[in-house]
Amino acid sequence: KAGVTQTPRYLIKTRGQQVTLSCSPISGHRSVSWYQQTPGQGLQFLFEYFSETQRNKGNFPGRFSGRQFSNSRSEMNVSTLELGDSALYLCASSLGVEGHGYTFGSGTRLTVV
Amino acid sequence: AQSVTQLDSHVSVSEGTPVLLRCNYSSSYSPSLFWYVQHPNKGLQLLLKYTSAATLVKGINGFEAEFKKSETSFHLTKPSAHMSDAAEYFCVVSGFNNNDMRFGAGTRLTVKP
Repeated sequence: KAGVTQTPRYLIKTRGQQVTLSCSPISGHRSVSWYQQTPGQGLQFLFEYFSETQRNKGNFPGRFSGRQFSNSRSEMNVSTLELGDSALYLCASSLGVEGHGYTFGSGTRLTVV
Repeated sequence: AQSVTQLDSHVSVSEGTPVLLRCNYSSSYSPSLFWYVQHPNKGLQLLLKYTSAATLVKGINGFEAEFKKSETSFHLTKPSAHMSDAAEYFCVVSGFNNNDMRFGAGTRLTVKP
């Protein structure tokens, strides 16, 4: 059974550019969540999608957005990149029901220069 | 609202000795609790989860955790540390529908030979 796949693994962008990250969940999982991990802030929740609808959102500016497709694959977009957006972005999928843990992908390492 | 506090940012043990990683939680209702492990430059892997069944939960790689409602704790233990256990460990609490997962700040486990 394939795990959660995130692409690309590494990305270097320039300030002001925009970036799109992709996440393919485990087959059958309808919930996809995104997290930002930095040394200073730790793991911070960005948003969660369930059946193509954003079900929950963290405390990030509107430059961070996402969407989920009918096959449960999800994309995350960051516009007008800032240096502080450099981080490991983790995607996690789940059945989306209480008590079912998340399976995480290996992440996308974004560096903004 | 719910939250978790990992009481130690860094724990160092010798190989073959017991491991104790401490986690206290706060939740306004019966929570689901998880422990995840993250090895360097990798995504997060689920170690174990508590979902109101048995209070002593056994996970992978010899880890286990005990849910103590009276102490609002969910400490992670392992009888004998192995070098491969060196990693960052995260305690997580989630609420209804898994759409509000809160991560602790993490505990870095170092295992000395």
